[in-house]
This record gives sequence, C-alpha cells and structure tokens, in this order.
Amino acid sequence: DTGVSQNPRHKITKRGQNVTFRCDPISEHNRLYWYRQTLGQGPEFLTYFQNEAQLEKSRLLSDRFSAERPKGSFSTLEIQRTEQGDSAMYLCASSSGQGGGEAFFGQGTRLTVV
Amino acid sequence: GNSVTQMEGPVTLSEEAFLTINCTYTATGYPSLFWYVQYPGEGLQLLLKATKADDKGSNKGFEATYRKETTSFHLEKGSVQVSDSAVYFCAYDRGSTLGRLYFGRGTQLTVWP
Repeated sequence: DTGVSQNPRHKITKRGQNVTFRCDPISEHNRLYWYRQTLGQGPEFLTYFQNEAQLEKSRLLSDRFSAERPKGSFSTLEIQRTEQGDSAMYLCASSSGQGGGEAFFGQGTRLTVV
Repeated sequence: GNSVTQMEGPVTLSEEAFLTINCTYTATGYPSLFWYVQYPGEGLQLLLKATKADDKGSNKGFEATYRKETTSFHLEKGSVQVSDSAVYFCAYDRGSTLGRLYFGRGTQLTVWP
C-alpha cells in the first residue's frame, strides 16, 4: 500500500468556479478525515467519515462545501462557487480507529482561487 | 474550548544542539497527545504519541512526556541533525471514538551544519 493519495496535488481556479478533490485512503482504514491548512497555521478539522457515514462536520464547512464517501473507500470534497478565502491546502487523513487516533495523512491538494 | 498552544517559531539551531519545543493544550477528559512532523515537500507524519498521563513517547531520538498536571507535551531532542529541519505540530484528540485531531500552529525548525 502506498499510503493516502490525494488528487490533484495543485489546483488553480477562478473565483466562482466549482472544484472537486479526491482522496484515496489506506485500503483497510475505515475512518477518513478532511482538514484545511492555511499558511502559518496548523490543520483545521473539516469533516469525518466512518465507512460511508459522515459523522461529524465542522462549522468551518459552509454550505458551499460538500464531502462524500459513497462506498466507504475513496472520498471527494467539492467546493462550489469558490472564493479567494478558500485558498488553502486541503489534507486528507485516514485511520483504522485503533491506536489512540493515529492518522496517516496524504500530501494534500493546494487550492489557489484567483 | 479545545486548543493547542505551541512555542512560536522559527527555531534555528546548530547541529548537535539541544532542542525543546513547548506545547500546552486545553482539553477536558483524557486526550491522547501527538507530535506530527512535516518535512519539506512531504505530508504530515506521526513522530510520536502518548495516550495516558506520564507516558513518554519517543522516536528518532525525539521524546515527549504527557504531563497532565501541567497539560503539557513538550518535544525534546538531545542532539539535532540537519535532517531534522521541518515543521513540527503538536496535536491531541479527545480520547473519544471520533479521533479528530486538534493541532497547534506548528513550529518551524531549521538546523545548520
């Protein structure tokens, strides 16, 4: 297994466009997390799935954001009508639910809204 | 509320110097504590963890002890190397089944030869 994979690695979009990111977790992991990281800050939690169920959403996740994990494997994060404030690194992580919450992170998708 | 306070960076050290990066947290209950590291161009990696009070996490010469009485989890290394240059993040979860992490802002460490 090659770890958590995120695509694309970079995305530049015009304000108002929709974007979608994909995350492929480690195959045996049933938990999947999305975080957002801006420059000089630590990652901030966005949402969490256990299998295909979305169990928790942060207040940071406005109505323009939606995440899915339809078959309990890969996940997508969509941002509609992007704004410049959405520019950030979007991180995906997965875990098995064992071992005190140890999560494995992907390399992230860097979004730039121009 | 839930928060993590890390020592402000950047930290610049010479090779073989002693490193301390302070971390304190605000959380109720019995959180698990973590240090993650992000090397240039790479994703976050778990460096070490401690799941209960007085536990010491260690890895690659780094250590941190879970101090519940001071709500701290300071990262230390006796002799840093150039290859330790990275951003270090302190984090915790709430010890529940959810496992979401609360991160500090990160501390940039640069080690010069």
